[in-house]
Amino acid sequence: KAGVTQTPRYLIKTRGQQVTLSCSPISGHRSVSWYQQTPGQGLQFLFEYFSETQRNKGNFPGRFSGRQFSNSRSEMNVSTLELGDSALYLCASSLTGKNIQYFGAGTRLSVL
Amino acid sequence: DQQVKQNSPSLSVQEGRISILNCDYTNSMFDYFLWYKKYPAEGPTFLISISSIKDKNEDGRFTVFLNKSAKHLSLHIVPSQPGDSAVYFCAASVLGGNNRLAFGKGNQVVVIP
Repeated sequence: KAGVTQTPRYLIKTRGQQVTLSCSPISGHRSVSWYQQTPGQGLQFLFEYFSETQRNKGNFPGRFSGRQFSNSRSEMNVSTLELGDSALYLCASSLTGKNIQYFGAGTRLSVL
Repeated sequence: DQQVKQNSPSLSVQEGRISILNCDYTNSMFDYFLWYKKYPAEGPTFLISISSIKDKNEDGRFTVFLNKSAKHLSLHIVPSQPGDSAVYFCAASVLGGNNRLAFGKGNQVVVIP
Protein backbone atom coordinates (compact mmCIF):
# COMPACT_ATOMS: atom_id res chain seq x y z
CA LYS A 1 0.00 0.00 0.00
CA ALA A 2 1.40 3.39 -0.93
CA GLY A 3 2.08 5.81 1.90
CA VAL A 4 1.11 9.45 2.22
CA THR A 5 2.39 11.41 -0.76
CA GLN A 6 3.13 15.12 -0.61
CA THR A 7 3.99 17.33 -3.54
CA PRO A 8 6.11 19.22 -4.19
CA ARG A 9 8.96 18.23 -1.88
CA TYR A 10 10.65 21.62 -2.04
CA LEU A 11 9.35 25.06 -2.84
CA ILE A 12 10.88 28.51 -2.91
CA LYS A 13 8.62 31.55 -2.89
CA THR A 14 8.98 35.24 -2.18
CA ARG A 15 7.13 37.33 0.38
CA GLY A 16 3.62 38.26 -0.63
CA GLN A 17 3.13 35.30 -2.96
CA GLN A 18 0.75 32.46 -2.31
CA VAL A 19 1.42 28.74 -2.37
CA THR A 20 -0.58 25.52 -2.66
CA LEU A 21 0.65 22.23 -1.26
CA SER A 22 -0.85 18.87 -2.09
CA CYS A 23 -1.34 15.67 -0.11
CA SER A 24 -2.60 12.24 -1.17
CA PRO A 25 -3.52 10.09 1.84
CA ILE A 26 -3.11 6.36 2.23
CA SER A 27 -5.85 4.55 0.31
CA GLY A 28 -8.91 4.16 2.51
CA HIS A 29 -7.92 6.94 4.92
CA ARG A 30 -10.52 9.68 5.03
CA SER A 31 -8.96 11.95 7.64
CA VAL A 32 -6.15 14.26 6.57
CA SER A 33 -4.32 16.57 8.97
CA TRP A 34 -1.71 19.22 8.30
CA TYR A 35 1.16 20.27 10.56
CA GLN A 36 3.83 22.93 10.41
CA GLN A 37 7.32 22.16 11.72
CA THR A 38 9.75 24.95 12.55
CA PRO A 39 12.93 24.88 14.67
CA GLY A 40 11.45 27.29 17.20
CA GLN A 41 7.88 26.03 17.59
CA GLY A 42 8.28 22.36 16.74
CA LEU A 43 5.37 20.50 15.17
CA GLN A 44 2.14 22.44 15.31
CA PHE A 45 -1.31 21.38 14.21
CA LEU A 46 -2.80 23.44 11.39
CA PHE A 47 -6.12 21.74 10.56
CA GLU A 48 -7.85 18.44 9.91
CA TYR A 49 -10.23 17.48 7.15
CA PHE A 50 -12.66 14.60 7.12
CA SER A 51 -15.20 13.90 4.38
CA GLU A 52 -14.41 17.22 2.69
CA THR A 53 -15.16 19.19 5.89
CA GLN A 54 -12.74 20.94 8.19
CA ARG A 55 -13.19 19.17 11.51
CA ASN A 56 -10.46 20.81 13.62
CA LYS A 57 -8.43 23.96 13.32
CA GLY A 58 -5.23 25.02 15.05
CA ASN A 59 -4.16 28.48 16.10
CA PHE A 60 -2.98 29.86 12.77
CA PRO A 61 -4.05 33.03 10.93
CA GLY A 62 -6.66 32.97 8.21
CA ARG A 63 -3.91 33.12 5.56
CA PHE A 64 -3.63 29.37 6.09
CA SER A 65 -6.50 27.45 4.55
CA GLY A 66 -7.17 24.03 3.18
CA ARG A 67 -9.65 21.82 1.47
CA GLN A 68 -10.33 18.18 0.86
CA PHE A 69 -11.70 16.55 -2.25
CA SER A 70 -14.13 13.68 -2.59
CA ASN A 71 -11.24 11.24 -3.13
CA SER A 72 -9.79 12.39 0.26
CA ARG A 73 -6.86 14.18 -1.36
CA SER A 74 -6.17 17.48 0.35
CA GLU A 75 -4.55 20.79 -0.43
CA MET A 76 -3.42 23.56 1.82
CA ASN A 77 -2.96 27.13 0.73
CA VAL A 78 -0.97 29.93 2.28
CA SER A 79 -1.66 33.42 0.98
CA THR A 80 0.45 36.55 1.36
CA LEU A 81 3.52 34.61 2.40
CA GLU A 82 5.71 35.92 5.19
CA LEU A 83 9.32 35.03 5.99
CA GLY A 84 8.11 33.24 9.11
CA ASP A 85 6.09 30.81 7.00
CA SER A 86 9.33 29.09 6.02
CA ALA A 87 8.88 25.62 7.44
CA LEU A 88 8.39 21.95 6.76
CA TYR A 89 4.70 21.28 6.11
CA LEU A 90 3.61 17.77 6.94
CA CYS A 91 0.46 15.99 5.99
CA ALA A 92 -0.85 12.95 7.85
CA SER A 93 -3.72 10.59 7.24
CA SER A 94 -5.59 8.17 9.46
CA LEU A 95 -8.36 5.62 9.33
CA THR A 96 -11.79 6.66 10.55
CA GLY A 97 -11.97 6.33 14.32
CA LYS A 98 -8.27 5.62 14.73
CA ASN A 99 -5.86 8.09 16.31
CA ILE A 100 -2.68 6.82 14.70
CA GLN A 101 -1.63 9.25 12.00
CA TYR A 102 0.73 8.34 9.19
CA PHE A 103 2.87 11.11 7.83
CA GLY A 104 4.18 12.04 4.42
CA ALA A 105 7.74 13.20 3.83
CA GLY A 106 6.65 16.83 3.88
CA THR A 107 7.03 19.91 1.71
CA ARG A 108 9.92 22.19 2.60
CA LEU A 109 8.81 25.77 1.94
CA SER A 110 11.36 28.57 1.87
CA VAL A 111 10.09 32.14 1.74
CA LEU A 112 12.66 34.70 0.59
CA ASP B 1 1.53 27.00 25.54
CA GLN B 2 3.48 23.76 25.18
CA GLN B 3 1.12 21.03 26.38
CA VAL B 4 3.61 18.25 25.70
CA LYS B 5 7.19 18.65 26.89
CA GLN B 6 10.29 16.66 26.16
CA ASN B 7 13.34 17.71 28.15
CA SER B 8 16.94 16.63 27.53
CA PRO B 9 16.94 17.43 23.81
CA SER B 10 19.69 14.96 23.01
CA LEU B 11 20.79 11.55 24.21
CA SER B 12 23.84 9.46 23.33
CA VAL B 13 23.83 5.75 24.11
CA GLN B 14 26.09 2.79 23.36
CA GLU B 15 24.79 0.16 20.99
CA GLY B 16 23.10 -2.65 22.94
CA ARG B 17 22.25 -0.48 25.92
CA ILE B 18 18.88 0.96 26.89
CA SER B 19 17.61 4.33 25.61
CA ILE B 20 15.04 6.05 27.82
CA LEU B 21 13.10 9.03 26.56
CA ASN B 22 10.79 11.02 28.78
CA CYS B 23 7.71 13.09 28.07
CA ASP B 24 5.43 15.19 30.30
CA TYR B 25 2.03 16.61 29.48
CA THR B 26 -0.15 19.22 31.12
CA ASN B 27 -3.60 18.69 29.59
CA SER B 28 -5.53 16.16 31.68
CA MET B 29 -7.94 15.62 28.77
CA PHE B 30 -5.27 13.75 26.81
CA ASP B 31 -6.02 10.06 26.80
CA TYR B 32 -4.01 8.68 23.90
CA PHE B 33 -0.25 8.97 23.51
CA LEU B 34 2.07 8.16 20.64
CA TRP B 35 5.77 8.07 19.89
CA TYR B 36 7.14 8.88 16.46
CA LYS B 37 10.64 8.58 15.06
CA LYS B 38 11.94 11.00 12.44
CA TYR B 39 14.97 10.75 10.17
CA PRO B 40 16.24 13.85 8.33
CA ALA B 41 14.32 14.63 5.13
CA GLU B 42 11.56 12.16 6.04
CA GLY B 43 8.23 12.49 7.77
CA PRO B 44 7.65 11.15 11.29
CA THR B 45 7.16 7.38 11.45
CA PHE B 46 4.74 5.91 13.98
CA LEU B 47 6.47 3.72 16.57
CA ILE B 48 4.14 2.81 19.39
CA SER B 49 1.11 4.15 21.23
CA ILE B 50 -0.72 3.74 24.52
CA SER B 51 -4.17 4.65 25.73
CA SER B 52 -4.82 5.99 29.20
CA ILE B 53 -6.50 2.78 30.33
CA LYS B 54 -3.12 1.05 30.22
CA ASP B 55 0.15 1.76 31.99
CA LYS B 56 2.42 -0.19 29.66
CA ASN B 57 2.54 -1.23 26.04
CA GLU B 58 5.26 -3.30 24.42
CA ASP B 59 6.17 -3.85 20.79
CA GLY B 60 9.41 -5.67 20.18
CA ARG B 61 12.31 -3.55 21.40
CA PHE B 62 10.01 -0.62 22.22
CA THR B 63 8.06 -0.23 25.46
CA VAL B 64 6.02 2.79 26.48
CA PHE B 65 5.13 3.42 30.12
CA LEU B 66 2.35 5.78 31.20
CA ASN B 67 1.98 7.32 34.65
CA LYS B 68 -1.35 9.16 34.49
CA SER B 69 -1.20 10.64 37.97
CA ALA B 70 2.18 12.21 37.18
CA LYS B 71 1.16 13.08 33.61
CA HIS B 72 4.35 11.41 32.46
CA LEU B 73 5.27 8.82 29.87
CA SER B 74 8.52 7.26 28.81
CA LEU B 75 9.79 5.25 25.87
CA HIS B 76 12.33 2.49 26.44
CA ILE B 77 14.34 1.08 23.55
CA VAL B 78 16.17 -2.14 24.36
CA PRO B 79 18.64 -2.99 22.94
CA SER B 80 19.51 0.24 21.14
CA GLN B 81 20.78 -0.16 17.58
CA PRO B 82 22.62 2.31 15.31
CA GLY B 83 19.52 2.50 13.09
CA ASP B 84 17.65 3.95 16.06
CA SER B 85 19.62 7.18 15.71
CA ALA B 86 16.89 9.71 14.93
CA VAL B 87 14.70 12.37 16.52
CA TYR B 88 11.91 10.98 18.67
CA PHE B 89 8.67 12.87 19.19
CA CYS B 90 6.10 12.32 21.89
CA ALA B 91 2.52 13.21 20.92
CA ALA B 92 -0.82 13.29 22.70
CA SER B 93 -4.44 13.49 21.69
CA VAL B 94 -7.97 13.16 22.94
CA LEU B 95 -9.74 10.02 21.74
CA GLY B 96 -13.14 10.15 20.11
CA GLY B 97 -12.75 11.50 16.62
CA ASN B 98 -10.30 14.27 17.46
CA ASN B 99 -7.22 13.83 15.31
CA ARG B 100 -5.40 16.85 16.63
CA LEU B 101 -2.00 15.72 17.88
CA ALA B 102 -0.01 17.88 20.28
CA PHE B 103 3.71 17.21 19.89
CA GLY B 104 6.73 17.66 22.09
CA LYS B 105 9.79 19.29 20.54
CA GLY B 106 11.64 16.02 20.16
CA ASN B 107 14.71 14.22 21.48
CA GLN B 108 17.75 13.57 19.30
CA VAL B 109 19.04 10.05 19.98
CA VAL B 110 22.49 8.99 18.83
CA VAL B 111 23.41 5.33 19.17
CA ILE B 112 27.16 4.81 19.17
CA PRO B 113 28.33 1.54 17.57
